[in-house]
Amino acid sequence: DTEVTQTPKHLVMGMTNKKSLKCEQHMGHRAMYWYKQKAKKPPELMFVYSYEKLSINESVPSRFSPECPNSSLLNLHLHALQPEDSALYLCASSQEGLRTSGSSNTGELFFGEGSRLTVL
Amino acid sequence: SQQGEEDPQALSIQEGENATMNCSYKTSINNLQWYRQNSGRGLVHLILIRSNEREKHSGRLRVTLDTSKKSSSLLITASRAADTASYFCATPYTGGFKTIFGAGTRLFVKA
Repeated sequence: DTEVTQTPKHLVMGMTNKKSLKCEQHMGHRAMYWYKQKAKKPPELMFVYSYEKLSINESVPSRFSPECPNSSLLNLHLHALQPEDSALYLCASSQEGLRTSGSSNTGELFFGEGSRLTVL
Repeated sequence: SQQGEEDPQALSIQEGENATMNCSYKTSINNLQWYRQNSGRGLVHLILIRSNEREKHSGRLRVTLDTSKKSSSLLITASRAADTASYFCATPYTGGFKTIFGAGTRLFVKA
């Protein structure tokens, strides 16, 4: 059983809708991630939050808006999406956070089961 | 791309046989990891090998790392139908916060 919980499991939305994906972890992990995965492709990194601050944005279009309300929660707000944005969206967490003085961690990721998004 | 290729892209074997998957990467790493993904579900971390290690075992899994060739292999021994999944190698960069996944190998184990 995964300790990273994602909701909803499935989401169908129109191109004019506004929706949100939610992710929660209670392992005390300090970094959280959003990945996008198309069918038969590897996951692609979208965003990384470390200590509740956005640390990495992989040039993701602004129609995807991440939010980290607290150390356990990560949201992905969706607005004006395109059909090509249909994919499996995966949330992940890792134990250590990126400190301003620089640090490293093993990068071991704990994934949720994903939210399957279909944009009509 | 910072990550290389995995081969084979797909592998079909009989239960009880061994399965070997290979991964190549392009830049220096601190460690390399392997993940498993059942169809349409989240990824599960299987094993991590550090850059100063050459081989590591975990149950039926054996991972090797050749940093001179920038390659790694994952061996699953005595495969089971439940091993049917996609397997990805992954290399973390930027202090471990930017993990790049290989293209993956889809393994099908026939009962």
